[in-house]
Amino acid sequence: GEQVEQRPPHLSVREGDSAFITCTYTDPNSYYFFWYKQEPGASLQLLMKVFSSTEINEGQGFTVLLNKKDKRLSLNLTAAHPGDSAAYFCAVIDTNAYKVIFGKGTHLHVLP
Amino acid sequence: GGIITQTPKFLIGQEGQKLTLKCQQNFNHDTMYWYRQDSGKGLRLIYYSITENDLQKGDLSEGYDASREKKSSFSLTVTSAQKNEMAVFLCASSMGTGRSDYTFGSGTRLLVI
Repeated sequence: GEQVEQRPPHLSVREGDSAFITCTYTDPNSYYFFWYKQEPGASLQLLMKVFSSTEINEGQGFTVLLNKKDKRLSLNLTAAHPGDSAAYFCAVIDTNAYKVIFGKGTHLHVLP
Repeated sequence: GGIITQTPKFLIGQEGQKLTLKCQQNFNHDTMYWYRQDSGKGLRLIYYSITENDLQKGDLSEGYDASREKKSSFSLTVTSAQKNEMAVFLCASSMGTGRSDYTFGSGTRLLVI
């Protein structure tokens, strides 16, 4: 089945810097991807869902890149601020099963 | 807007005890999920259910039972709590079976003493 690897597990950046998180997946047929944000003590909130037809997706303060050739999904937080400090999880739909496979998460700390 | 509610928020149990966690959603979502979240291990799927009275095992089903009594509720039972166990259990729901984004509950934090 689908395997998802997320890097890095921990990331510290200065306020105003970019934060870059990457997930690689194994199933070349994967077509639907997610990024979730989890603030301390809170549940997961959907940041963005990405279809395989679109390689660059822009949100508020972040960009999601999908490289289908390399099977890589990336989240780039541009000009990070302390409110971005949280755990971020990528997720990929397993095309052979009725479930979503999550990465192990990246704990981002934005220093003021 | 809808809401997905997990009870209890915190659960302290004793070794060997059977513990039940509950989840309710009013989105009218078909599919519901139970995940376990451990530090450094991400989210692991325990059970999911694609409709009322349906149960499907996830990757971590051993040591757990689940029940989908009705469309809006999905409960999880830890059959025998392990000493010093500490984890967060997250319930989620989605409209379809893996094609829709999930809505997560706020979690139940379990500590076994």
